[in-house]
Amino acid sequence: QKEVEQNSGPLSVPEGAIASLNCTYSDRGSQSFFWYRQYSGKSPELIMFIYSNGDKEDGRFTAQLNKASQYVSLLIRDSQPSDSATYLCAVTDTNAGKSTFGDGTTLTVKP
Amino acid sequence: DGGITQSPKYLFRKEGQNVTLSCEQNLNHDAMYWYRQDPGQGLRLIYYSHIVNDFQKGDIAEGYSVSREKKESFPLTVTSAQKNPTAFYLCASSPHGGNQPQHFGDGTRLSIL
Repeated sequence: QKEVEQNSGPLSVPEGAIASLNCTYSDRGSQSFFWYRQYSGKSPELIMFIYSNGDKEDGRFTAQLNKASQYVSLLIRDSQPSDSATYLCAVTDTNAGKSTFGDGTTLTVKP
Repeated sequence: DGGITQSPKYLFRKEGQNVTLSCEQNLNHDAMYWYRQDPGQGLRLIYYSHIVNDFQKGDIAEGYSVSREKKESFPLTVTSAQKNPTAFYLCASSPHGGNQPQHFGDGTRLSIL
């Protein structure tokens, strides 16, 4: 079993819809959770980070964390074609100071 | 303008050759990381460093070596022992190790001739 698993894609949504991206992790000691967006051929860029249980909103993006279920998600509201990219979930072992990445979910937003 | 600079953008390696990928940051970050990304996959950690003159192996360190002689610089050498080096290599940094997000360079694409 992989340490960080993301829902298999690709995920396709129509423009204006809500895109839901999911991630589960195996290490209960994980304390920091990140979502990165990676356009094809480019490097990842930070979208959201969350440390505490619950929801965190930033514009059209909402990160949700449930440590009891070892689950973190990213919701993208009013999806735009420019949101089409691969989204990487990263989970950090704070004590070790390193992150483990999932394989990513590729999102396509159709006009 | 602060950031992370990786060079070269593209690199070709001959059989039996060692090649070095450069990573320089002017963000005054303590922690630096090297990742490898294969097509359709996530990032796998090669080496990381939280302080000058100290570094740790990541999940796939075999066939790679690093140094951290200066805070700003964390070069990665892909040795001839790495039999499948073709990949996209990403360097990242964060203010400190631990729970802070990482900033990435633009990457180096390495191929075998």
